[in-house]
Amino acid sequence: DQQVKQNSPSLSVQEGRISILNCDYTNSMFDYFLWYKKYPAEGPTFLISISSIKDKNEDGRFTVFLNKSAKHLSLHIVPSQPGDSAVYFCAASFGNNAGNMLTFGGGTRLMVKP
Amino acid sequence: EPEVTQTPSHQVTQMGQEVILRCVPISNHLYFYWYRQILGQKVEFLVSFYNNEISEKSEIFDDQFSVERPDGSNFTLKIRSTKLEDSAMYFCASSRDYSYNEQFFGPGTRLTVL
Repeated sequence: DQQVKQNSPSLSVQEGRISILNCDYTNSMFDYFLWYKKYPAEGPTFLISISSIKDKNEDGRFTVFLNKSAKHLSLHIVPSQPGDSAVYFCAASFGNNAGNMLTFGGGTRLMVKP
Repeated sequence: EPEVTQTPSHQVTQMGQEVILRCVPISNHLYFYWYRQILGQKVEFLVSFYNNEISEKSEIFDDQFSVERPDGSNFTLKIRSTKLEDSAMYFCASSRDYSYNEQFFGPGTRLTVL
């Protein structure tokens, strides 16, 4: 089952620079997308979400872009900080209503170097 | 900040034994979920629960699994007869109400089946 894919298992970025994490999906019925951050020995932490009616959503240093035609979303972190070092998961659901299951990508490990 | 809690953090059991994983969702949340992550694999949806009923379940959630909200605060996942392949991190999550599918995760319970 590869409905949500994160093709880069890892990414290394210098502190202060932009981090760009990518995610692709195959099921065109997905219409709500989320990004989670996960530290070791902790559960995923919600970061930001976007509905398919939008192409951009911004929250502080985090911006998510959605390209529906390409079935692609990305998370931009600007500026990157060492504390951002974690595994980032994108997730998708059918609708933004609660109760809907999330389908996760495999994650990208981000390392921000001081 | 309110958070989802899970107990125990690590559970070791013998194959064939019953286990109960416990979760306390965020107090004003109405929707509850269980996910699991087998080592090296993606986070996978198991079940969602609302108003004392299962809303949705995956193929993984077979007759060996059950969920319950025994009181106003706890949400449990029971595995009746554990198998080796049930070894995984089990994450509980909750979301606030119908309009928001931002799911907030607990720290997880590591289940090891010997």
